[in-house]
Amino acid sequence: EIVLTQSPGTLSLSPGERATLSCRASQSVRSGHLAWYQQKPGQAPRLLIYVASSRATGIPDRFSGSGSGTDFILTISRLEPEDFAMYYCQQYGSSPRTFGQGTRLEIK
Amino acid sequence: EVQLVESGGGLVKPGGSLRLSCAASGFTFSSYSMNWVRQAPGKGPEWLSSISSSSGYIYYADSVQGRFTISRDNAKNSLFLQMNSLRVEDTAVYYCARAPGGGADQLEYWGQGTLVTVSS
Repeated sequence: EIVLTQSPGTLSLSPGERATLSCRASQSVRSGHLAWYQQKPGQAPRLLIYVASSRATGIPDRFSGSGSGTDFILTISRLEPEDFAMYYCQQYGSSPRTFGQGTRLEIK
Repeated sequence: EVQLVESGGGLVKPGGSLRLSCAASGFTFSSYSMNWVRQAPGKGPEWLSSISSSSGYIYYADSVQGRFTISRDNAKNSLFLQMNSLRVEDTAVYYCARAPGGGADQLEYWGQGTLVTVSS
């Protein structure tokens, strides 16, 4: 099973700042099959990024993903108030699919 | 518009069973892989199971292997999760989610979830 470790656990930033979230895998993620999700309280997760760097439908271009192998990054270029939420990475290159433990992005 | 609506959650005693359903609309259900994911209170999501478009490929997480069974009825645009031998630690919100399939399994659409509580 691939274990995904997200860092930091909590990120405190202000609107307009740049956010950088990390996801490290315990072994290489096959074919870059790594996704990022955003989740707000009381809502289901929402797909942001898939295959490490492709934006999902309707996702603003301030969200970008990068990385390969075992190290992946989600960048939010200029934080908007609605971006403060939980963020999870997930690998779907091998079974079982696994999620990271999440990064909480909070307003400073 | 893609819609996924879960139902069947509720309160059940340890050792009991529940069957969750997910009604799909707004897309050609038979063309997509489907998944079940759960999220315990205050925890991150946990992938449980996936089923390919024609039910030919089925996968489970170790935590539910042998206790849960995923199935689908393409004629009725429905996904199911039969949950047996339920444990207290199975308490969670259960989501169904659509994936493109064919090796691309990002969870692109999610339902709103149904709460399962396992307690005596």
